[in-house]
Amino acid sequence: DTGVSQNPRHKITKRGQNVTFRCDPISEHNRLYWYRQTLGQGPEFLTYFQNEAQLEKSRLLSDRFSAERPKGSFSTLEIQRTEQGDSAMYLCASSLSGGGGGAYNEQFFGPGTRLTVL
Amino acid sequence: EDKVVQSPLSLVVHEGDTVTLNCSYEVTNFRSLLWYKQEKKAPTFLFMLTSSGIEKKSGRLSSILDKKELFSILNITATQTGDSAVYLCAVTTFNKFYFGSGTKLNVKP
Repeated sequence: DTGVSQNPRHKITKRGQNVTFRCDPISEHNRLYWYRQTLGQGPEFLTYFQNEAQLEKSRLLSDRFSAERPKGSFSTLEIQRTEQGDSAMYLCASSLSGGGGGAYNEQFFGPGTRLTVL
Repeated sequence: EDKVVQSPLSLVVHEGDTVTLNCSYEVTNFRSLLWYKQEKKAPTFLFMLTSSGIEKKSGRLSSILDKKELFSILNITATQTGDSAVYLCAVTTFNKFYFGSGTKLNVKP
């Protein structure tokens, strides 16, 4: 399967614990995005990488959240000192760079990691 | 503040009906508008629109963008039960994708 993969698919943790999620994008895609989605809402943008550079970070991303993409391939999203409000589906997506006109190519989404904080 | 608003929030129709889903947006540095279908898993891509007035079609689905009035519509003709899903609209700027909350479509047999 050459699509976007995410691990783990489900994570249950106790409040205060740290968790780390991994995303493996489509191999030739240089852009990687993280989103959070709660029930009944569309995905909320968290952060974005172009290759290994983190180019944008949402205000939603508190200091407890950190993301890395050290070699420009896979990415990790870490949440420290989890809170019950962090319970959500965390989606990763990847895409190729946009064309010269600035239009962005479609994103391909992974299956997501569902986090439950007890 | 950048935002994307979809309407209606939910819709129930019968097979064979035609539906129109709406997406309006207010963003700075607009680049493109995308439609996604989300069933019980991650969103899957339907269309990307960058120019006003040019309809994109894929089978029974079609979409068009109006950059002057800042909205897009997604039409589904001859709906089938398999069309039941949440339809998401997203608008891109330089570095971000802004998603609406989606329209939940339920097609009854």
